[in-house]
Amino acid sequence: SQQGEEDPQALSIQEGENATMNCSYKTSINNLQWYRQNSGRGLVHLILIRSNEREKHSGRLRVTLDTSKKSSSLLITASRAADTASYFCATDWNGGFKTIFGAGTRLFVKA
Amino acid sequence: NAGVMQNPRHLVRRRGQEARLRCSPMKGHSHVYWYRQLPEEGLKFMVYLQKENIIDESGMPKERFSAEFPKEGPSILRIQQVVRGDSAAYFCASSPAAGRGDSPLHFGNGTRLTVT
Repeated sequence: SQQGEEDPQALSIQEGENATMNCSYKTSINNLQWYRQNSGRGLVHLILIRSNEREKHSGRLRVTLDTSKKSSSLLITASRAADTASYFCATDWNGGFKTIFGAGTRLFVKA
Repeated sequence: NAGVMQNPRHLVRRRGQEARLRCSPMKGHSHVYWYRQLPEEGLKFMVYLQKENIIDESGMPKERFSAEFPKEGPSILRIQQVVRGDSAAYFCASSPAAGRGDSPLHFGNGTRLTVT
């Protein structure tokens, strides 16, 4: 089964609102990454947070990591229509070399 | 500075034919990953390769699927005797180092395989 599971599966918000997506994983990890995928395109890396970090910021993105709960959240502040995409969390599997992705959250930002 | 290049972008094959998907990693990257994505789903790990070596193929079906990353040239994902269930988008990603998940992956735009 997949390592990461995102929720919600889909999220629809108005432009200007904040969007929060959550990710849970199963095994120990070295770090966790978030990616974005626009329809019909490949994934684009957004942010990486290491297992010894609790929070990280990048522009309008804020990521938190709680290793005791094996969970992470991605917050997009002041969303824009252009943020409409699928968002995936990804982790290494038991500290191994492969990167495993969750099923993703589909975000719709209405203008 | 070209990113990860995948070709073809779209591939149509009849049942029983072979599909060959190509991936040229970013310049300087020697680690390649292949993933499969069904519509409205996440990416399923298939295989991780370094130059001339398969490091982890735990996500590859045991039959009909093979992958290589030769010393020269692109990585190839080969599907023999395709069936309708092989229809999916296949993504290649590369990274500069063997990370324990700590090297961000750079993705191509995928090959969309349709089996008729």
